[in-house]
Amino acid sequence: AQTVTQSQPEMSVQEAETVTLSCTYDTSENNYYLFWYKQPPSRQMILVIRQEAYKQQNATENRFSVNFQKAAKSFSLKISDSQLGDTAMYFCALPTPTNDMRFGAGTRLTVKP
Amino acid sequence: EAGVAQSPRYKIIEKRQSVAFWCNPISGHATLYWYQQILGQGPKLLIQFQNNGVVDDSQLPKDRFSAERLKGVDSTLKIQPAKLEDSAVYLCASSLTGADTQYFGPGTRLTVL
Repeated sequence: AQTVTQSQPEMSVQEAETVTLSCTYDTSENNYYLFWYKQPPSRQMILVIRQEAYKQQNATENRFSVNFQKAAKSFSLKISDSQLGDTAMYFCALPTPTNDMRFGAGTRLTVKP
Repeated sequence: EAGVAQSPRYKIIEKRQSVAFWCNPISGHATLYWYQQILGQGPKLLIQFQNNGVVDDSQLPKDRFSAERLKGVDSTLKIQPAKLEDSAVYLCASSLTGADTQYFGPGTRLTVL
């Protein structure tokens, strides 16, 4: 069964610094996608970054990058040069074979001025 | 490109009343999802449509919840009768195909008193 674990319920970081959010997962699939979504207090879930498991290169989107370790089933999100607008809940997600998106419990990130 | 639209944004009802939510997915997206997000948790799938057919409704409480997607575009989710534990945010998402990135609407916050 697909499971996603986020072990950091809350984190904080100073503006302009770097923070890493952790995620581990379990799946029996060999080819799959992994996602990080951001949910600000306004509630809209926004895609941050996507990683394809068959690609060895880690995905990068501007200040957001991932450290994907397939053998360890680890998928962490690094946010560089943190901005106040990065304050949000961050969810790690893994689709099941029927494309039901399994989400972790989330990490609440606060960026402090 | 217009995003996923949902209405209403907020709804307050008393237990045993009925309520309906509406979702309009991104144009051309074949797959539509309804998720329930209880405060402090990640979203959980209620039902998945591919065009106007149901792919997965295994987690939908069918004694009180129903959903339809007429003509393979808009969708409605209904709860009748509502219970206190139905208080949550109901998120609609769509994707081009079942295996593609899911894009979320702003959600409907339901409060059952």
